[in-house]
Amino acid sequence: SAVISQKPSRDICQRGTSLTIQCQVDSQVTMMFWYRQQPGQSLTLIATANQGSEATYESGFVIDKFPISRPNLTFSTLTVSNMSPEDSSIYLCSVHVRGLTDTQYFGPGTRLTVL
Amino acid sequence: GQSLEQPSEVTAVEGAIVQINCTYQTSGFYGLSWYQQHDGGAPTFLSYNGLDGLEETGRFSSFLSRSDSYGYLLLQELQMKDSASYFCAVLYNFNKFYFGSGTKLNVKP
Repeated sequence: SAVISQKPSRDICQRGTSLTIQCQVDSQVTMMFWYRQQPGQSLTLIATANQGSEATYESGFVIDKFPISRPNLTFSTLTVSNMSPEDSSIYLCSVHVRGLTDTQYFGPGTRLTVL
Repeated sequence: GQSLEQPSEVTAVEGAIVQINCTYQTSGFYGLSWYQQHDGGAPTFLSYNGLDGLEETGRFSSFLSRSDSYGYLLLQELQMKDSASYFCAVLYNFNKFYFGSGTKLNVKP
């Protein structure tokens, strides 16, 4: 299993500013991901955070808007840049652990409100 | 990405059995997972099917049919605490999960 923590748990930000969300895992994991979830909606994959190389972004998400760092196998950051109210959402970090089953563990999420 | 379809909402009574279906596209498919999410909480892992057939974990079971691009989550002996959203998710190209739109389960006394 994996235990994931995220900071901050929530924030209220002004339009045009940036926020960096931190994700810490209690064990080394190869695959780490960032998702976004609007209240009552599904989880949308933003990108795969790759250790030692640039993140892999899904369609509709770009590095300039959502820069991601992955300096080691236990830590990653997601920055939401030049924020607008449309960026208000819950941002979740997750890791994929392979074993007898393929399991994905999620952090508690960061609730972002942009005014 | 992947396209997954599941019902938006299901209502059942305590003690009953409910089945939540999920259909998906086959391109890049490796396996199907199910997650539970209570309001305000993070998704938590319930089950994973990499092969056809039924996987049972306590009151919850999950089924996969690769030939039909179909799976389901079966919840037995429903309890009030089972009221939550349930997501199916496809393991794509063996390295990332795409999620369905979610099914809101309402359990009534």
